[in-house]
Amino acid sequence: QTVVTQEPSFSVSPGGTVTLTCGLSSGSVSTNYYPSWYQQPPGQAPRTLIYTTNTRSSGVPDRFSGSILGNKAALTITGAQADDESDYYCVLYMGSGLWVFGGGTKLTVL
Amino acid sequence: QVQLQESGPGLVKPSETLSLTCTVSGGSISNYYWIWIRQPPGKGLEWIGYLYYSGSSGSTNYNPSLKTRVTISMDTSKNQFSLQLVSVTAADTAVYYCARGRPGVPIDYWGQGTLVTVSS
Repeated sequence: QTVVTQEPSFSVSPGGTVTLTCGLSSGSVSTNYYPSWYQQPPGQAPRTLIYTTNTRSSGVPDRFSGSILGNKAALTITGAQADDESDYYCVLYMGSGLWVFGGGTKLTVL
Repeated sequence: QVQLQESGPGLVKPSETLSLTCTVSGGSISNYYWIWIRQPPGKGLEWIGYLYYSGSSGSTNYNPSLKTRVTISMDTSKNQFSLQLVSVTAADTAVYYCARGRPGVPIDYWGQGTLVTVSS
């Protein structure tokens, strides 16, 4: 069974840039997996940031961007702010109607 | 603005059936994916499954790990869709989210989530 992998935790300084990644335990992530990204602040429901690799959801600031870097999907946050401190999840399409979440990355801004 | 709201019992006994409803307001229910996702306390998100409603019929797809226990259905007259999970155990304790997707966009709207605890 293929597992979607994410860094368990990451930290970034205020104003800094951070790139979170989303990979596969076996194989490479491509646009064919339609990677999307979600932000979940502490105690809140998730919200959609990015879909189909690099399309920002409505209202999402352009500080958030998505891409494919090497063999992984990536979410880059530029000019990190205190309220970016959240859990970030990716989800990949595995075919046959199956979507699988990564384990999530806890981002600390300090 | 589309809004989704989960409702249902917050406590279910082991071996019984978990039943939740999601009420959709502010938009059509046709030609969208209607999704259930869950999150055990302190853990990550898990895709449960979806129902795609085309306006005349629906098709479903479930997480293989839950497929034998889960059913997602729709009541078009009430703009609601539902989740049933049978034979629950403590491992099914989680916050359950309903969500909407559309072709090319796995999830565009989320509900606020509802905590369901499985305990005797």
